[in-house]
Formats: sequence, C-alpha cells, structure tokens
Amino acid sequence: DADVTQTPRNRITKTGKRIMLECSQTKGHDRMYWYRQDPGLGLRLIYYSFDVKDINKGEISDGYSVSRQAQAKFSLSLESAIPNQTALYFCATSDSRGNTQYFGPGTRLTVL
Amino acid sequence: AQSVTQLDSQVPVFEEAPVELRCNYSSSVSVYLFWYVQYPNQGLQLLLKYLSGSTLVKGINGFEAEFNKSQTSFHLRKPSVHISDTAEYFCAVIRDTGRRALTFGSGTRLQVQP
Repeated sequence: DADVTQTPRNRITKTGKRIMLECSQTKGHDRMYWYRQDPGLGLRLIYYSFDVKDINKGEISDGYSVSRQAQAKFSLSLESAIPNQTALYFCATSDSRGNTQYFGPGTRLTVL
Repeated sequence: AQSVTQLDSQVPVFEEAPVELRCNYSSSVSVYLFWYVQYPNQGLQLLLKYLSGSTLVKGINGFEAEFNKSQTSFHLRKPSVHISDTAEYFCAVIRDTGRRALTFGSGTRLQVQP
C-alpha cells in the first residue's frame, strides 16, 4: 500500500461548489503539506501543518482552507470553487526534521 | 525568503547522450537542496538531496548533482540518459533551520529521443 494516499484522484466540479480533497499517510510523520501544480509554475505551497494543532498558511492560501483531523489525515477544502483553481494538487509529508518530503499521487481538479 | 530558478523549461536530448539540468537558488540563509522527478501521471519522487558534506551528491537512476555555494547552483547531471528518464524534474530548497517548507523551481521537462 502507498504511504501517502489522496482521494479523489480526479474530480470535475462547477464554479461555486464546495470541494474537499483528502490526504492520508501511514508514515507516522508529524508534518503534512498541500501544494498545487500549474504548468510552468512548479509546485506552490498552499498550507502546511507541523502537528495537529499547528497549521500555517503557505504562499497561495487565499480561497482554500484545511483541517488536520488526526496525525495521519490532512484535508484541503475549496469553499467556493472557481475556474482558476483548476490544477493538480499534491499532499506531502515529512518527519520532524522536515528535510525530505514524500508526495502522494496527486488529485487532478477541474473547475468548470 | 528563498527562490529557485530552473533556467531551462525543456531539454531535448538523444538517448545515451549526457545531460545537465540547471538550477540556481537565492537565499539569505543556509539551505538544503533537492531534486525531485515527476514521471507522467505520477507524483514526485526524490532523486537526491544535499544537506551537508561532500558537494557532489549521487542519487537514484545514475543521476548526480553538485552544490556550488559561490555560484548558488545545484545542477543535475547524468552521463548517459535513457528513454525512461523522460520526465519533469524539479529543483527545490529549504532553510536549514526553523519553521520551513520547500520552495520549488518551475520545473524542467527532459525529453529523451531515440
């Protein structure tokens, strides 16, 4: 089984809908991250969490919110989806040293 | 804050030829450096990392990178590429202390042709 899983893997939705992307990990890591990938822009950090009660905004947090339900689970929500949130979303984890991140397979989100 | 510049968005190369993917970074503090690879329709996989010690770092699949502090570079090299190396490659940096997360470059698409 994969160490970092993301659900759903693909999602098509309409403008204005609320969407939740989920991430689970079995690596026992404290730190979890959400990134979005856009062609030509690389990966940009949306939110990160160093433990269940420590959640921080990344460089592009506007329009997104997160929930760290447990050490192993970190969810990303789009309260009211808009077309420019169409992207590939990645969850990642790292241990407390934070030196190496392990990525999930990604969720491809399309907002029409 | 840190920033990463990958100078080439695409690099076409013939099979068995050598390749270098360039990465430069900017930071006011010491950093650790990484190269990740993304194969088509997959997540990111760590190729190699520099934390300290020898400036020449060897990674998986025959790749290596050299950290050059004076030129703030961390170029990725492979002496002979295969078709299977076709992928997107991302350079990333992270501060070596404190509360931190990775900063990625925009990526370089390596296209290996037969």
